[in-house]
Amino acid sequence: EAGVTQFPSHSVIEKGQTVTLRCDPISGHDNLYWYRRVMGKEIKFLLHFVKESKQDESGMPNNRFLAERTGGTYSTLKVQPAELEDSGVYFCASSQVWGRPDGYTFGSGTRLTVV
Amino acid sequence: DAKTTQPTSMDCAEGRAANLPCNHSTISGNEYVYWYRQIHSQGPQYIIHGLKNNETNEMASLIITEDRKSSTLILPHATLRDTAVYYCIVRVGVFGNEKLTFGTGTRLTIIP
Repeated sequence: EAGVTQFPSHSVIEKGQTVTLRCDPISGHDNLYWYRRVMGKEIKFLLHFVKESKQDESGMPNNRFLAERTGGTYSTLKVQPAELEDSGVYFCASSQVWGRPDGYTFGSGTRLTVV
Repeated sequence: DAKTTQPTSMDCAEGRAANLPCNHSTISGNEYVYWYRQIHSQGPQYIIHGLKNNETNEMASLIITEDRKSSTLILPHATLRDTAVYYCIVRVGVFGNEKLTFGTGTRLTIIP
């Protein structure tokens, strides 16, 4: 079984530019989550999809961040325009069925550096 | 979700059992205890979870006290590859708050 795949693994962009991160969850997993760790701080929740619907986006920091999951498969997280404080590692995770207390499978993350 | 308290760091000799404690004194009846770890720069890795009963899988054992206010993760035969930051997380697992609230965790170092 393929794991959660994130692309790119690293991205370096200039302040003000746009970056799009992609996450491919485990096939058949309804739940998809985005988390991030910025500047050595704790890992923080961003949002949760159930299939193509946003179930909880309370962790999204501001309207420069846009997440989508068209068709309920892969997801993208766009940052536009990127700011220096957006630098960090962005993790995606998935789990199979909403409402089951399963553990999540995380991807290896995308390390974003804004210069 | 209930708050958890873990020691900042621990050492364990290779081949010995590593016992990682976690306090969650405000845990609610419908909240599960989860353990994840993060090895260096990789993504967090799910280890085990439980509600009331002790649990065991191929990676570890989870011991939850009868009052559910604390738990212990046991890695039975620690290897160097078990060096990581271990997170104890409490959350509602069924149609509730799906967020994982990561604290600072316990940095476990396995000593050769």
